[in-house]
Amino acid sequence: GAVVSQHPSRVICKSGTSVKIECRSLDFQATTMFWYRQFPKKSLMLMATSNEGSKATYEQGVEKDKFLINHASLTLSTLTVTSAHPEDSSFYICSARDGQGGAYEQYFGPGTRLTVT
Amino acid sequence: AQKITQTQPGMFVQEKEAVTLDCTYDTSDQSYGLFWYKQPSSGEMIFLIYQGSYDEQNATEGRYSLNFQKARKSANLVISASQLGDSAMYFCAIYNQGGKLIFGQGTELSVKP
Repeated sequence: GAVVSQHPSRVICKSGTSVKIECRSLDFQATTMFWYRQFPKKSLMLMATSNEGSKATYEQGVEKDKFLINHASLTLSTLTVTSAHPEDSSFYICSARDGQGGAYEQYFGPGTRLTVT
Repeated sequence: AQKITQTQPGMFVQEKEAVTLDCTYDTSDQSYGLFWYKQPSSGEMIFLIYQGSYDEQNATEGRYSLNFQKARKSANLVISASQLGDSAMYFCAIYNQGGKLIFGQGTELSVKP
C-alpha cells in the first residue's frame, strides 16, 4: 500500500525559532498534499492544500507567512513554522493524494508532534 | 459548505459486543464520498471504510460496516465483535468535489474487557 512518511516525528523548539516538517510519499507520486493541524482529542483541521510546482492554497484563518508550505517535487512537501510560539504547539499531519489513484484516495503520514517552549 | 457532525464525544462498549458510532453530514454536492478513520493514541490515521454517494449497497470491510442512509444524511459506523485494540478516536469525514476531506469532531471509543 501507499506509504507517507513525516520527519521529524517529534520536535521541541524554543520560542522564536523556525521548524521544518517534511512529508514524503515513498512509493507513489503525490500531485497534491494536504497539511492538517490537530489539538488533543480534537478534529483534524485542514491548514492548506499543496500542489506540486505551485503555491499552496491556505484555508481561511491560516497565516501563510507563518506556515510556509513548499511542494518542490512529486514526493516531498515541507511545512515550516516560522517564529514559533507556544500556541503553535500541536500535532501536524500531512496526507498525500496519489496522482494515479482514485480521486478520493488520500494517504496520511504518521504525524509530527511540535512543542514550542 | 459541507459539515460533518459526530454527536458522541465518548462511547464505551464491552469486548465482543457490537457498537455503532454516529455520523451525520450536510452537503449540497451530488457526488461525494464518506470515510471513517481510526486514530489510536500513536496519532496515525488509519483508513477503515469508504462509501460513495452513488453506492447503493452499504460498504463493509471485515468487522466494519457503514450504515449509509442517504435520505437522512447519515453514515454510521458499525464495529462488530469489539476488541480491546479497537479503543481509539474515530473520525468520520466527507470528501468534496474540491478534493478536500472535512472531518467530524471525533468519537473516543473505549472497549472494556
